[in-house]
Amino acid sequence: GAGVSQSPRYKVAKRGQDVALRCDPISGHVSLFWYQQALGQGPEFLTYFQNEAQLDKSGLPSDRFFAERPEGSVSTLKIQRTQQEDSAVYLCASSLGVDRPYTFGSGTRLTVV
Amino acid sequence: AQTVTQSQPEMSVQEAETVTLSCTYDTSESNYYLFWYKQPPSRQMILVIRQEAYKQQNATENRFSVNFQKAAKSFSLKISDSQLGDTAMYFCALRQYGNKLVFGAGTILRVKS
Repeated sequence: GAGVSQSPRYKVAKRGQDVALRCDPISGHVSLFWYQQALGQGPEFLTYFQNEAQLDKSGLPSDRFFAERPEGSVSTLKIQRTQQEDSAVYLCASSLGVDRPYTFGSGTRLTVV
Repeated sequence: AQTVTQSQPEMSVQEAETVTLSCTYDTSESNYYLFWYKQPPSRQMILVIRQEAYKQQNATENRFSVNFQKAAKSFSLKISDSQLGDTAMYFCALRQYGNKLVFGAGTILRVKS
């Protein structure tokens, strides 16, 4: 596609509910990143994929967070048993390689009530 | 560890005037990239300008230029002839080779008519 596509754009979840956020990167982009952006803050790194391999998941805040990219293209970020502190914008970015420029999606705003 | 500090939470500028946004960073590496991103209300991160640390010449992109002081670990963004469309959140970011982007907390820029 022309850009990085993220869905849904908005998600409201009740505390304790599981959610799945989707990222569709630019075709051919092997590197894919997930970031979490709390209100009024800068994005913080969650995890990184090179094709289907998850090379760095050091930023995932707890074992309730899980990301996958099974075929090296679309990625899903799953949050189990959501908590209020999970409320944030989740940004996805892709690039041709880890040292190449990133293209960001417009993010998913998750609100946990 | 890499850190990025933006000490100006908010800035205002009159249309057509010049404004400078500040950024300092810390890294133990000698090879890295520095970036300024713009984030309008649409949430998509848009790359404004990029600087490679080994290049002494300051990067410029039309009305946007940087003042890169490697020894002082300073990377400020100058916006000339400010336009209403420049109103956004601006993030300074650092990336070591082969590593992830680390963002500052951001500066809200308001351009007034």
